[in-house]
Amino acid sequence: AQTVTQSQPEMSVQEAETVTLSCTYDTSENNYYLFWYKQPPSRQMILVIRQEAYKQQNATENRFSVNFQKAAKSFSLKISDSQLGDTAMYFCAFMNPGNTGKLIFGQGTTLQVKP
Amino acid sequence: GAGVSQSPSNKVTEKGKDVELRCDPISGHTALYWYRQSLGQGLEFLIYFQGNSAPDKSGLPSDRFSAERTGGSVSTLTIQRTQQEDSAVYLCASSLAAAGGELFFGEGSRLTVL
Repeated sequence: AQTVTQSQPEMSVQEAETVTLSCTYDTSENNYYLFWYKQPPSRQMILVIRQEAYKQQNATENRFSVNFQKAAKSFSLKISDSQLGDTAMYFCAFMNPGNTGKLIFGQGTTLQVKP
Repeated sequence: GAGVSQSPSNKVTEKGKDVELRCDPISGHTALYWYRQSLGQGLEFLIYFQGNSAPDKSGLPSDRFSAERTGGSVSTLTIQRTQQEDSAVYLCASSLAAAGGELFFGEGSRLTVL
């Protein structure tokens, strides 16, 4: 069974600085997808970034980028130029596309951006 | 609709009562998922629908939990004889296709069992 681990329950960063959130996963699959979702206090989960395992190039979305290390089964999220609106809970998630497409989530990291 | 809609937003009930939670997915999305999020925790998968059928019910915690989907659209999650440990936020998500597609989430229904 696949598992996703986020070892940092809480993190904080000063506004405009850079922060990295860690995520590791365990799977025997070779083809899969990895995601980072953001959950603000409104509770709605919002997709931040997505990575296909067969792509060696790390995904980037504006201030958000990932460091995908397939052999190490590591998928960290880097947030550059942190903004107050980035304050939220962040979840790393794994998807085996051949298995209904359901997401397996980590326990989450609460990020606070300080002014 | 424009997004995934869930109702009620908040529900307080007494132990032993039945509750129904509703999810209205994005129009045209064939895949629908229910998740449960306990306080400060990650999301726990409950059930997956493709159209009106549920090929994966592996996450339902007990036979008190059931779900259905009609017309390939609206889904209802029913919890019978609620217990205090059922208190959580129940999140619904839909996607256009199951394989690798982005899941779009609703804002969830917060259930409190007294």
